Amino acid sequence: QSVLTQPPSVSAAPGQKVTISCSGSSSNIGNNYVSWYQQLPGTAPKLLIYDNNKRPSGIPDRFSGSKSGTSATLGITGLQTGDEADYYCGTWDSSLSANYVFGTGTKVTVL
Amino acid sequence: QVQLVESGGGLVKPGGSLRLSCAASGFTFSDYYMSWIRQAPGKGLEWVSYISSSGSTIYYADSVKGRFTISRDNAKNSLYLQMNSLRAEDTAVYYCAREMRELLGGYFDYWGQGTLVTVSS
Repeated sequence: QSVLTQPPSVSAAPGQKVTISCSGSSSNIGNNYVSWYQQLPGTAPKLLIYDNNKRPSGIPDRFSGSKSGTSATLGITGLQTGDEADYYCGTWDSSLSANYVFGTGTKVTVL
Repeated sequence: QVQLVESGGGLVKPGGSLRLSCAASGFTFSDYYMSWIRQAPGKGLEWVSYISSSGSTIYYADSVKGRFTISRDNAKNSLYLQMNSLRAEDTAVYYCAREMRELLGGYFDYWGQGTLVTVSS
């Protein structure tokens, strides 16, 4: 059972912007870095954002991350059909025997 | 380039055992923490276990504690997951992932393609 809550789905037209929220607590998001993962249909997850707001090499700047208190947000601007995927936030949780916790996942649909 | 290749998945009966392997290449395996992460069909991601670079520190999710054992062989650049007393709810694609460990947590920067474990009679 995920301890990080995300909206089940978000959608927008091509070229538009979407944001995905990730809500946690002081034992996870509040005291640790957040990362975001993109999972295209039928593929393994891929790192999208780490350390709250940093992008790995090769990830376009259309993707951005932020964190405030016990919540984090992923933003995608200039939405493309290739962005249709499931997105997960994740972080370590210090209250659960050093478990890593993922968000519930959000399906992004490009209308 | 970094590559992680899982193997060992398959169909097993409830109560049975299976050993997953993850072959790593393209980086100095012994420098990195590694984790197993699973995804049940149509469900989200669930972290299963991690092991430190030397193998001295290991943690498990409560859902697998006492049944699964993670290990590594740095000489063979390999990560393993021994799964015993398997249950239907262990049915999932199992991914191995390389972890970048930091002071304030860490993240998984490379993932394998996954191996499917199906527990069914």
